[in-house]
Amino acid sequence: QKEVEQDPGPLSVPEGAIVSLNCTYSNSAFQYFMWYRQYSRKGPELLMYTYSSGNKEDGRFTAQVDKSSKYISLFIRDSQPSDSATYLCAMSAMGTGNQFYFGTGTSLTVIP
Amino acid sequence: EAGVVQSPRYKIIEKKQPVAFWCNPISGHNTLYWYRQNLGQGPELLIRYENEEAVDDSQLPKDRFSAERLKGVDSTLKIQPAELGDSAVYLCASSLVLNTEAFFGQGTRLTVV
Repeated sequence: QKEVEQDPGPLSVPEGAIVSLNCTYSNSAFQYFMWYRQYSRKGPELLMYTYSSGNKEDGRFTAQVDKSSKYISLFIRDSQPSDSATYLCAMSAMGTGNQFYFGTGTSLTVIP
Repeated sequence: EAGVVQSPRYKIIEKKQPVAFWCNPISGHNTLYWYRQNLGQGPELLIRYENEEAVDDSQLPKDRFSAERLKGVDSTLKIQPAELGDSAVYLCASSLVLNTEAFFGQGTRLTVV
């Protein structure tokens, strides 16, 4: 079983839709959770960083962490064509020696 | 503030040839990572540095890969000799300290023919 599971999509939505992207994980020690956006032929760009459980909002983006279910989500409101990219979740446990584990990424296309 | 800088952006080499990638992390970031990303996959860690010390290189294929981070700033990742299966994007990332948010460079796309 992989440390992090992410539905690869592809996901296609009309402009203005609410998008929900999700990851599940198996390691209950994970405490740090990140979402990255990656455009084609570019490096991953950090969108959201959260510690432990709860919600975090930044503009049109909301990150949710449910540690009891080992489930994290990224919501995009009022989606725009410029949101079309691959979204990667990443997570790690606390302490030294702990690397970030990435999902495989979800490909999103927002249709004008 | 400049982000993580990597060079070259693209590299095409023949198999069995050597290749090197260079990374300049964000100023003041103590932790530096090298990741490899295959098409349609998430990044996978190759090696992590805390300052100039390699503290996690368990996934680095040491028979052909080597890395160094001189003076705890810039880093170089080398492959010698390259194999066809090494074709991938090599990403460098840095963070202020371990487990804080990591910032990535644009990556080096390696094609081995």
